Amino acid sequence: NAGVTQTPKFQVLKTGQSMTLQCAQDMNHEYMSWYRQDPGMGLRLIHYSVGAGITDQGEVPNGYNVSRSTTEDFPLRLLSAAPSQTSVYFCASSEQGGGWGYTFGSGTRLTVV
Amino acid sequence: QKEVEQDPGPLSVPEGAIVSLNCTYSNSAFQYFMWYRQYSRKGPELLMYTYSSGNKEDGRFTAQVDKSSKYISLFIRDSQPSDSATYLCALRISSGSARQLTFGSGTQLTVLP
Repeated sequence: NAGVTQTPKFQVLKTGQSMTLQCAQDMNHEYMSWYRQDPGMGLRLIHYSVGAGITDQGEVPNGYNVSRSTTEDFPLRLLSAAPSQTSVYFCASSEQGGGWGYTFGSGTRLTVV
Repeated sequence: QKEVEQDPGPLSVPEGAIVSLNCTYSNSAFQYFMWYRQYSRKGPELLMYTYSSGNKEDGRFTAQVDKSSKYISLFIRDSQPSDSATYLCALRISSGSARQLTFGSGTQLTVLP
C-alpha cells in the first residue's frame, strides 16, 4: 500500500544509547519531515527535507540528526538518547509543487530510561 | 505565547450533536488552514483544508476561517461515535519552498453512542 512507513513501532532505549528511526515513502514526494508529539505540546517539527541531499532544522532539532540520500528515505538519528526524548515520533511527506496535506506514518513510540 | 492555541478538551458529546472545535492564532502571515484527525495510536490524517476566509463544507464537516479575528473552526454535524478522535488544526505561511506547518496541540473528542 502506498504511504509512509515507519520502523520500529516501539522502542525502549537506555540513556546515552543511539539509534535510527526509519522512514520510507513510495509516493515520490519531495518534501519529508520529522515531528515529535508530546502531551499538551502538539506536533513539533524536528527536521525537514525539501529533496534528496537537502535538509534543514525545524523547531526542536537538538539531539537529532538527519540525512536524505534518496527521495524515498529520511532516517532520523538520535545521537545520545536522553529521557527528554521520550515521545512519539512521526514522519510525514508531501508533494513539493502541489497538494495540501501531509501523509503521516503511523509513528514510533520511543521511551528513554 | 504559542503561535497557535487550541483548547485541549477533552470534549464529550452525545451522538447526533453538533461539535465545534476552535483554534486561534497570533501571526497574521498564516494563509493556509487545515484540520487533521488523529485516531488513537495512529498518525494524523488530513480532514479539510482552506485558504480563504469563510466556510468550506464537506459532508458533515465545515471548516470556517475568520482571518480578521485570527480564528478558525471545525464544525461536525450529526456527530458519530466514529468521529471520536483528536482533532488538530494546522496553519502554514505561504512563503519559500519549505512546506512547514504549525500545529495546534489538538482537541480530544469523544462521541458517546
